[in-house]
Amino acid sequence: QKEVEQDPGPLSVPEGAIVSLNCTYSNSAFQYFMWYRQYSRKGPELLMYTYSSGNKEDGRFTAQVDKSSKYISLFIRDSQPSDSATYLCAMRQAGTALIFGKGTTLSVSS
Amino acid sequence: DAGITQSPRYKITETGRQVTLMCHQTWSHSYMFWYRQDLGHGLRLIYYSAAADITDKGEVPDGYVVSRSKTENFPLTLESATRSQTSVYFCASSESTGMVSGANVLTFGAGSRLTVL
Repeated sequence: QKEVEQDPGPLSVPEGAIVSLNCTYSNSAFQYFMWYRQYSRKGPELLMYTYSSGNKEDGRFTAQVDKSSKYISLFIRDSQPSDSATYLCAMRQAGTALIFGKGTTLSVSS
Repeated sequence: DAGITQSPRYKITETGRQVTLMCHQTWSHSYMFWYRQDLGHGLRLIYYSAAADITDKGEVPDGYVVSRSKTENFPLTLESATRSQTSVYFCASSESTGMVSGANVLTFGAGSRLTVL
């Protein structure tokens, strides 16, 4: 079992839809959880960061961490065509490098 | 311009040749990383460096060599390229606290797309 599992999709939704992206993990020592967004032929860029459990909201984006279930989510409200990208979850424990999921490709149609 | 620059952006080479991918950052970040991104595998860490002259292996280091004589540069060398090393390579950097505590907030370069024939 890989440390971080993420469904690669692709996921296609109409503009305005609510999108839910998810990752599961096996290492209970992970403390730091991130979501990166990657546009085609570009490098990933940090979208959201959460420490330990809980929710974090930033505009149309909400990140959730459930450490008891080893499950993290990213919700996108009122999705826009500009949200079309690959979303990578990433996580780590203190003193180690980030472990990335495979990424989920999202397409939002207008 | 401030940022992280990778070169070349595109490279085609042949099996057995040596290839060096360059990475330069202007922030004086302590940590630098090399990842490869492949369909079906996502981003996998090759090597990372905590400071000049300090490097460590990641998940997939075999066939790669790194050096870090200056804080701002972190070249990745494929000493004898193989077809399995065809990939997109990303360099990234992070502030000094990134590995010890707090967010490992990586800033990525635009990538180097390598094809080994």
